[in-house]
Amino acid sequence: TQLLEQSPQFLSIQEGENLTVYCNSSSVFSSLQWYRQEPGEGPVLLVTVVTGGEVKKLKRLTFQFGDARKDSSLHITAAQPGDTGLYLCAYSGGYQKVTFGTGTKLQVIP
Amino acid sequence: DAGVIQSPRHEVTEMGQEVTLRCKPISGHDYLFWYRQTMMRGLELLIYFNNNVPIDDSGMPEDRFSAKMPNASFSTLKIQPSEPRDSAVYFCASSPGLEYYEQYFGPGTRLTVT
Repeated sequence: TQLLEQSPQFLSIQEGENLTVYCNSSSVFSSLQWYRQEPGEGPVLLVTVVTGGEVKKLKRLTFQFGDARKDSSLHITAAQPGDTGLYLCAYSGGYQKVTFGTGTKLQVIP
Repeated sequence: DAGVIQSPRHEVTEMGQEVTLRCKPISGHDYLFWYRQTMMRGLELLIYFNNNVPIDDSGMPEDRFSAKMPNASFSTLKIQPSEPRDSAVYFCASSPGLEYYEQYFGPGTRLTVT
């Protein structure tokens, strides 16, 4: 099983600050997904990246897929308390089976 | 369209009891997944179905766990007998089976076994 490592594990920041979280592996992926899980809820898909070097934006969130398709980053500009949650990256090894990373738990303090 | 529905949202039971978790996937989705989430192990895939047929149950921890999907709109995950180490949040997810395997999760069932 390919391992997806996310860093940092935990992040606590003040409202308005910027942050970047990372998803790394030694393997090449055909696509990679980012999910956000709010406390007490299930993960919700944010974005899928499929092309090396691809950048996708979702309001204040910017997702980038590494050129070699082995890693990805999520940058949040001017974080808001509503951004609080667990951020998970995930890949599919085929046949619809998705493996999730270890997650980054983000807390944005008002 | 309604999302994935799970019941119950919370379950507290005593060790040795049978526990049944239920899931209704999004209508039209061909794939259904059962996951378990704990602080120590994160989000783990237990089993998934395609068109009501189990495809991969390699994540099911042991014979005490079983899952069924009698029709396209209903699935159950059963633990018998339950043990304290089964305490976790159990998620059901469904997928339309499109190219990038995007999944839609239910709100989860928090299981506590005392």
